[in-house]
Amino acid sequence: EADIYQTPRYLVIGTGKKITLECSQTMGHDKMYWYQQDPGMELHLIHYSYGVNSTEKGDLSSESTVSRIRTEHFPLTLESARPSHTSQYLCASSEYGADGPTDTQYFGPGTRLTVL
Amino acid sequence: GDSVTQMEGPVTLSEEAFLTINCTYTATGYPSLFWYVQYPGEGLQLLLKATKADDKGSNKGFEATYRKETTSFHLEKGSVQVSDSAVYFCALSFYNQGGKLIFGQGTELSVKP
Repeated sequence: EADIYQTPRYLVIGTGKKITLECSQTMGHDKMYWYQQDPGMELHLIHYSYGVNSTEKGDLSSESTVSRIRTEHFPLTLESARPSHTSQYLCASSEYGADGPTDTQYFGPGTRLTVL
Repeated sequence: GDSVTQMEGPVTLSEEAFLTINCTYTATGYPSLFWYVQYPGEGLQLLLKATKADDKGSNKGFEATYRKETTSFHLEKGSVQVSDSAVYFCALSFYNQGGKLIFGQGTELSVKP
């Protein structure tokens, strides 16, 4: 079982607030990812990191930002939340080569964000 | 671009019925293929995977075979249980592209007693 944690699990906030979604993993994985899951269930990659001080934008444009100062920690920040940010956010990590040529990702339980 | 297409849900079955969830992909090259499952209120868990053509992934009674000729990776289970109720995602990745996953839209399965 993977050890990847997300806090908070649920968050309801007002428009304009700054928020940070936390993601931590204890597996020492180099790669970490943030996905946004819309109400229709589709998953979209919004940010990823290949290691400390490495961050890249994903396939779906997002107003959020990320940082990777420590291997185990990959927080996501919204400077000014809006109702359009209401979604579920899933964090994942992987270790290249752990399963040979494949690259299995391990997911956290998710943070369900509601912006009023 | 690369993409994954799954059969639309929701799929409703009776306990012990046979399950098939279709998945086809479009990709330049030969990706690795995955099935992930998401139980209510939880994150995704890897169900099974296959790395090359004709590989069969299997886990918990679920199976899927990597079919290069039809670019498909259909998920099957011979006898579903109520506990299999969840959302199932088909996905692909290329290891030389950092392992980023491209997901299908998900198929919700509901199994009734």
